[in-house]
Amino acid sequence: DIQMTQFPSSLSASVGDRVSITCRTSQSISNFLNWYQHKPGKAPKLLIYAASSLQSGVPSRFSGSGSGTDFTLTISSLQLEDFATYYCQQSYSVPPYTFGQGTKLEIK
Amino acid sequence: QLQLQESGPGLVKPAETLSLTCIVSGGSISSSNYYWAWIRQPPGKGLEWIGSVYYNGNTYYNPSLTSRVTISVDKSNNQVSLRLSSVTAADTALYYCARHTATVTTRWFDLWGQGTLVTVSS
Repeated sequence: DIQMTQFPSSLSASVGDRVSITCRTSQSISNFLNWYQHKPGKAPKLLIYAASSLQSGVPSRFSGSGSGTDFTLTISSLQLEDFATYYCQQSYSVPPYTFGQGTKLEIK
Repeated sequence: QLQLQESGPGLVKPAETLSLTCIVSGGSISSSNYYWAWIRQPPGKGLEWIGSVYYNGNTYYNPSLTSRVTISVDKSNNQVSLRLSSVTAADTALYYCARHTATVTTRWFDLWGQGTLVTVSS
């Protein structure tokens, strides 16, 4: 299985801050990397697919970059509604699809 | 607008079989473009993909669960089912139904249900 290491595991930030979350994979996965946002009690939401493509309807302050084994999700200017947990997920070598352990973004 | 809604017993006894249903509304489950998946999240832990099913019944499962899992599709009722046998406390989790595209280069989960909590306890 491809192992996903996501860091930091938690992050405190303020509205307006620029934040980045990193996902590292145990082997090269080209750009087969996706990012999700998850709020308690809600359905997880696809933000970024294929490492850098913005899902329809997702604000442009979200962006993704990287290829191979290192990937980054960046939020350019945090809004209140962005405080949530974020997961990366690989679809390069399946089964199984694997997810990172999550990064909880909290208000400072 | 396509929506997914999971349902099933919230409490299952150890060694029994967990059975959940995902109702797909607002669209057809028989689209050749998508697979339908089950994903779970144990309390305080990350997401784990359980398995996926195509509208024609083709399935693939997480190797760590394959001996206990059956996922099936009911086209007449537009729903997907999950059965997980011989459950233990480690199967306690929030269970999600999700959709992903069928082509190799576009396999991301673009639609999810809100999830249903299943607790394994006597």
